[in-house]
Amino acid sequence: GDSVTQMEGPVTLSEEAFLTINCTYTATGYPSLFWYVQYPGEGLQLLLKATKADDKGSNKGFEATYRKETTSFHLEKGSVQVSDSAVYFCALSDPRNDMRFGAGTRLTVKP
Amino acid sequence: DTGVSQNPRHKITKRGQNVTFRCDPISEHNRLYWYRQTLGQGPEFLTYFQNEAQLEKSRLLSDRFSAERPKGSFSTLEIQRTEQGDSAMYLCASSLGQGALGELFFGEGSRLTVL
Repeated sequence: GDSVTQMEGPVTLSEEAFLTINCTYTATGYPSLFWYVQYPGEGLQLLLKATKADDKGSNKGFEATYRKETTSFHLEKGSVQVSDSAVYFCALSDPRNDMRFGAGTRLTVKP
Repeated sequence: DTGVSQNPRHKITKRGQNVTFRCDPISEHNRLYWYRQTLGQGPEFLTYFQNEAQLEKSRLLSDRFSAERPKGSFSTLEIQRTEQGDSAMYLCASSLGQGALGELFFGEGSRLTVL
């Protein structure tokens, strides 16, 4: 079935470092792709999304591009802040409208 | 606050007991989802409703689990004869619309501990 695989964590970076969290997907159709974020003590919330190949989702300085040829949707940010410390989940929405999540990657940003 | 509300936030029970969780979605949202999340894992899909109709159930949802959304508003998830393996965070999410554009709005979850 459809699934996502994301880079294992935890990831620890210094403030202003460049961030990449890898995500690849397996799907029989043409899913929509998402990144959700969970800040400490809060529920999951949508960070960004892309609904078709070559779309780029962006929000709060984060970006991810839907790459059909490599079945990837890697999350990037040019300069992370301490406030970006959270768990990041890659997800896809399949034709039945289920949202499937990866295992999550914990990011810690140190000052 | 008009977000997704779940209660109780934490439930501790003994093996074999029944537990029920409630989810109040964002009021205009017609879709409601239940997920389960264990430590170090992403949310696993359990079931979803469109209005009051339960449209999809995961294989994870054994016959000890039942979910309802009787009037298309709030939903309950009941687990009968709980087992230690049921210990997890149970997440509820809601969304508006038909398609897979899929911004889900999550509650903060109900954590179940089965002793």
